[in-house]
Amino acid sequence: AQKVTQAQTEISVVEKEDVTLDCVYETRDTTYYLFWYKQPPSGELVFLIRRNSFDEQNEISGRYSWNFQKSTSSFNFTITASQVVDSAVYFCALRINNAGNMLTFGGGTRLMVKP
Amino acid sequence: KAGVTQTPRYLIKTRGQQVTLSCSPISGHRSVSWYQQTPGQGLQFLFEYFSETQRNKGNFPGRFSGRQFSNSRSEMNVSTLELGDSALYLCASSLLGGGRDEQFFGPGTRLTVL
Repeated sequence: AQKVTQAQTEISVVEKEDVTLDCVYETRDTTYYLFWYKQPPSGELVFLIRRNSFDEQNEISGRYSWNFQKSTSSFNFTITASQVVDSAVYFCALRINNAGNMLTFGGGTRLMVKP
Repeated sequence: KAGVTQTPRYLIKTRGQQVTLSCSPISGHRSVSWYQQTPGQGLQFLFEYFSETQRNKGNFPGRFSGRQFSNSRSEMNVSTLELGDSALYLCASSLLGGGRDEQFFGPGTRLTVL
């Protein structure tokens, strides 16, 4: 069975601070995909990034960066110079290769960025 | 391109009733998945439909069912509602489902059971 753990349930930072959201996953499958989604108060999940298990390169997109480490089964997400608009709940999710579109989500981390 | 749409956005029902939620995927997408989100259990996978066939099912009782039509629109039904069914129900669509496919989520239907 798959499992995703986001140990940080809530994080509060002041604008312009850097913040890292942790994600640890468990799966026996060798082919899988990892995702991060953002859920603003409106409720809709917004896709941020997808990573497959064979690509451990870190990725940067503007103020966002992701650190994928298979050795520790972690896929952490860093926001640099946080802004108030980054306030949301962030979910890490796992999809194994032979499970269609079934995503296993972590419990989410609520990020509050204060001005 | 229009995004995933879900109707209704809000719904209030009483225990014992049944409810039907609707999801229209992005044009051309053939896979539709449903998720339940509650404060206690988080986001949980309900089921996935692809080309009118259920391809995957989560660990939910038989009161939860769904279907997909030939135009890829999907409905989910919950019969004999319980208080614990109060949740945000999210629908997601993707082109084919699985692999490198990216899922796009709708705004959700918030169901309140009284």
